[in-house]
Amino acid sequence: GESVGLHLPTLSVQEGDNSIINCAYSNSASDYFIWYKQESGKGPQFIIDIRSNMDKRQGQRVTVLLNKTVKHLSLQIAATQPGDSAVYFCAENSGGYQKVTFGTGTKLQVIP
Amino acid sequence: ETGVTQSPTHLIKTRGQQVTLRCSSQSGHNTVSWYQQALGQGPQFIFQYYREEENGRGNFPPRFSGLQFPNYSSELNVNALELDDSALYLCASSISEAGDQPQHFGDGTRLSIL
Repeated sequence: GESVGLHLPTLSVQEGDNSIINCAYSNSASDYFIWYKQESGKGPQFIIDIRSNMDKRQGQRVTVLLNKTVKHLSLQIAATQPGDSAVYFCAENSGGYQKVTFGTGTKLQVIP
Repeated sequence: ETGVTQSPTHLIKTRGQQVTLRCSSQSGHNTVSWYQQALGQGPQFIFQYYREEENGRGNFPPRFSGLQFPNYSSELNVNALELDDSALYLCASSISEAGDQPQHFGDGTRLSIL
């Protein structure tokens, strides 16, 4: 399948540890943020989203934190599993339509 | 619930040719967007369609055009293909055109230009 992880920052974590993936976004007017997971040969898969009126949101094993002051977004994955290995993209939406801007991506490698 | 499906999965063309890529939206979704993803990079927004009209466009030339049909399926057309058009083309659908709901992506069409 296609590799989407070439030349991307890589985060290596031990299975069972927590992972933190960081993202700096560009537009202070962005009001909706999304994290996507992309496995090789697949399209991006929605993980979790957060709106600008919140600073934290939790899902199943995942937490997103938003710091609007420094335009920073993070994704925390608890008890990382081998199936979490993928490229993770943050995305921001600053338009009235679906003009989503993706970050450069981070490759997560889980060491068994 | 049927997810977003795209066809074909792979395609090889030569410079100067034209190509049409197809997308079926997820059931219940009325908005579709297209993205270009070069190897090792994040997806780049091409345009969005809502109610069969283009209502948002990224930084792509007019030779990239699209259609949305009454059943919300969509096509991406690219004319006068260039080598730099080689990429993964992704379709995404959503229940909202306002940009306040998550998009659901297909697995893309891998286009190679020789």
